[in-house]
Amino acid sequence: DAGITQSPRHKVTETGTPVTLRCHQTENHRYMYWYRQDPGHGLRLIHYSYGVKDTDKGEVSDGYSVSRSKTEDFLLTLESATSSQTSVYFCAIRTPDTNIQYFGAGTRLSVL
Amino acid sequence: AQSVTQPDIHITVSEGASLELRCNYSYGATPYLFWYVQSPGQGLQLLLKYFSGDTLVQGIKGFEAEFKRSQSSFNLRKPSVHWSDAAEYFCAVGESQAAGNKLTFGGGTRVLVKP
Repeated sequence: DAGITQSPRHKVTETGTPVTLRCHQTENHRYMYWYRQDPGHGLRLIHYSYGVKDTDKGEVSDGYSVSRSKTEDFLLTLESATSSQTSVYFCAIRTPDTNIQYFGAGTRLSVL
Repeated sequence: AQSVTQPDIHITVSEGASLELRCNYSYGATPYLFWYVQSPGQGLQLLLKYFSGDTLVQGIKGFEAEFKRSQSSFNLRKPSVHWSDAAEYFCAVGESQAAGNKLTFGGGTRVLVKP
């Protein structure tokens, strides 16, 4: 158990509404990541963070923003959800001095 | 840009038979390579990793993988499959720390185990 909690685990929302997903870690690791998982695409990186207030874009960042005001929390926001953002979202942390990422249990988001 | 290809979307194997999952990658430098497994409704669990050194790496649950630089491959193997190995398997290549240690995943291979 890498001490990662994602909330909510499931969410259904309507097109055009804002949505925020939370990733919480108990280990104070510096690096945190948000991925989305879609059939046939594996996992694709949305955004990542390398410290408080330090974030960068990933492969599929359009339509998403992130914030990290505390080491333990990394928030992913969909400002105006679209049906194409229906997906399973995974948060990951990277342990120090390694290149190993550990994943949370995921959040299943449906945008209707 | 780096990329990972898992040519087999689905593989069906009989319990007790051997399993090999293919992974090919494209990366300009020495890669960090990973195999993860995902059971239905679960997150991803690390099976094994290759950073450097011995090209045959051992992982958990009896899995092993072999790094072949000349073929840009990192195939996963298990000599005898158990019903509990039914899952989806993902190969990934990781960037350097300077590049944020970002992972690029293949599309996954779903393994079905027949009794």
